[in-house]
Amino acid sequence: QKEVEQDPGPLSVPEGAIVSLNCTYSNSAFQYFMWYRQYSRKGPELLMYTYSSGNKEDGRFTAQVDKSSKYISLFIRDSQPSDSATYLCAMSTYYGSSNTGKLIFGQGTTLQVKP
Amino acid sequence: DAGVIQSPRHEVTEMGQEVTLRCKPISGHDYLFWYRQTMMRGLELLIYFNNNVPIDDSGMPEDRFSAKMPNASFSTLKIQPSEPRDSAVYFCASSFTLGRRKETQYFGPGTRLLVL
Repeated sequence: QKEVEQDPGPLSVPEGAIVSLNCTYSNSAFQYFMWYRQYSRKGPELLMYTYSSGNKEDGRFTAQVDKSSKYISLFIRDSQPSDSATYLCAMSTYYGSSNTGKLIFGQGTTLQVKP
Repeated sequence: DAGVIQSPRHEVTEMGQEVTLRCKPISGHDYLFWYRQTMMRGLELLIYFNNNVPIDDSGMPEDRFSAKMPNASFSTLKIQPSEPRDSAVYFCASSFTLGRRKETQYFGPGTRLLVL
């Protein structure tokens, strides 16, 4: 079993729809949770970063973490064709007063937003 | 800032040949990561360095793969001999130690490797 599970999709939605992307994980040592966005033929770029359980909002994007269920989500409101990309969840462990800096990525979900 | 620089951007080689991928991290970053991305396996961490020292190479698939970081501004990933199953996109990423944001990794554009 992989440490981080993510449905690869593809997911196709009409413009303006609300998109929900999800990841589950098995390692309770994960404390840092991120979402990276990767456009075709480009490197991933950090989109959202959360440290604790709860919600974090940034414009049309909301990241949600539920540590008790080992489940994280990314919501995109009013989706746009420019949001079409692959979204990867990533997690990092925490040891003592610092962390390793090492990220474990999900498989990535390919999203297409149709005009 | 130029971001993470990788070269070459594309590489086509024949099985058995040596392949060297190069990376220049963002100036001031003290962590450097090498990843491999395929459709089947997604993004896999191969090895990472902290202050030019290899910290974790458990993701390096076999002895055919080696990585070096001779100084803070340059790293190489070498495959010798290359095999068709090594075909993938190889990414280099860097980050810096500042508070809790060590996890913010900045990725390069990747090197697309095709081994025939």
